[in-house]
Amino acid sequence: EAQVTQNPRYLITVTGKKLTVTCSQNMNHEYMSWYRQDPGLGLRQIYYSMNVEVTDKGDVPEGYKVSRKEKRNFPLILESPSPNQTSLYFCASSSTAAARAFFGQGTRLTVV
Amino acid sequence: ILNVEQSPQSLHVQEGDSTNFTCSFPSSNFYALHWYRWETAKSPEALFVMTLNGDEKKKGRISATLNTKEGYSYLYIKGSQPEDSATYLCASLSGGYNKLIFGAGTRLAVHP
Repeated sequence: EAQVTQNPRYLITVTGKKLTVTCSQNMNHEYMSWYRQDPGLGLRQIYYSMNVEVTDKGDVPEGYKVSRKEKRNFPLILESPSPNQTSLYFCASSSTAAARAFFGQGTRLTVV
Repeated sequence: ILNVEQSPQSLHVQEGDSTNFTCSFPSSNFYALHWYRWETAKSPEALFVMTLNGDEKKKGRISATLNTKEGYSYLYIKGSQPEDSATYLCASLSGGYNKLIFGAGTRLAVHP
């Protein structure tokens, strides 16, 4: 089954404690991206990757890092989480930037 | 950031009503327009990807039109059913950019 898998689904953490949200896709897609969703706002892109070892900033990259060492995986790293990073996060993949995106199940992160 | 606007923000209709909502996007350098349906506690799922001016897409009772010259797209739902209740997101991709810009969505509630 074609899917994008994110883990964990829910996470409560404390300010400053490094965390990683994993994302994996099984569709051999080249394009992957991370979004955050906050009330009243649309999905805002954090980072995207056009292919292995090719990543670039989205609209809200501050406080986040990503890596793309393999085609299927695109982890999101918060080196020092802060309360303003409390949000719902989605990973997505597609064959190209213009093609339909497949979204993961979402990760609800709370930073206290 | 290129803005994508959706209206109305929310909509309540009765079962059987037909409804429509709007997505406005930058018309200059347009490349693609996406529509997604996002049900509560699930992840967004693609409805349509549209690229050509005048394009019309249909999926069951849902259809969409695209006007790239004036920068808008309409989503229509004919004979709304309670299972159509969801947030409908549109996203625009401009040429030369590698990222989708999402609107804040239209939240539709269909009452039995």
